[in-house]
Amino acid sequence: GQQLNQSPQSMFIQEGEDVSMNCTSSSIFNTWLWYKQDPGEGPVLLIALYKAGELTSNGRLTAQFGITRKDSFLNISASIPSDVGIYFCAGQLSGGYQKVTFGIGTKLQVIP
Amino acid sequence: DAGVIQSPRHEVTEMGQEVTLRCKPISGHDYLFWYRQTMMRGLELLIYFNNNVPIDDSGMPEDRFSAKMPNASFSTLKIQPSEPRDSAVYFCASSFRGVGGTEAFFGQGTRLTVV
Repeated sequence: GQQLNQSPQSMFIQEGEDVSMNCTSSSIFNTWLWYKQDPGEGPVLLIALYKAGELTSNGRLTAQFGITRKDSFLNISASIPSDVGIYFCAGQLSGGYQKVTFGIGTKLQVIP
Repeated sequence: DAGVIQSPRHEVTEMGQEVTLRCKPISGHDYLFWYRQTMMRGLELLIYFNNNVPIDDSGMPEDRFSAKMPNASFSTLKIQPSEPRDSAVYFCASSFRGVGGTEAFFGQGTRLTVV
């Protein structure tokens, strides 16, 4: 089945630093999604990407859908303490809601 | 809207007991998903429904797991009998398949511990 490799698995950064994480897939996806999960909560969608090459921003977050459709990255600029959490990438094969495959997550810790 | 509501938030049960997890999706959403989250395997899709009909249950690990959606506002995930390896956080999510996006909204999860 689909395999998503997400890296890094964990990060410790200083407040104010930029963060970059990425996901690669063994096969093509038509949609890439990035979610954030706070402790004790369910994942919340941050950014959705629907087109190869697409670059989308949401505040301090920027995500790109790789040209090959097998990868995506998420950047967070000027990190703040509330950025702490687990970030998941997810890939979906078709425009309708079919199976969404999640990465293992990147645990982000921000040191004030 | 209150969002996706799951109950209970925490469940501790003994091996062999039946466990029922409950979910109320967001009103108007036509897709409902059950996920399981563990440290080792991350988020796994167990089953999803469209308009109350199960579409894909290939992620359900064993016959001990069953899910129902008797109406648009309620779904259950049942484990009978439960085993320690079923310990995980179980999430319910719902979405509306509209134009332009398929964002899934997750509940807060049920943390299940089987001892």
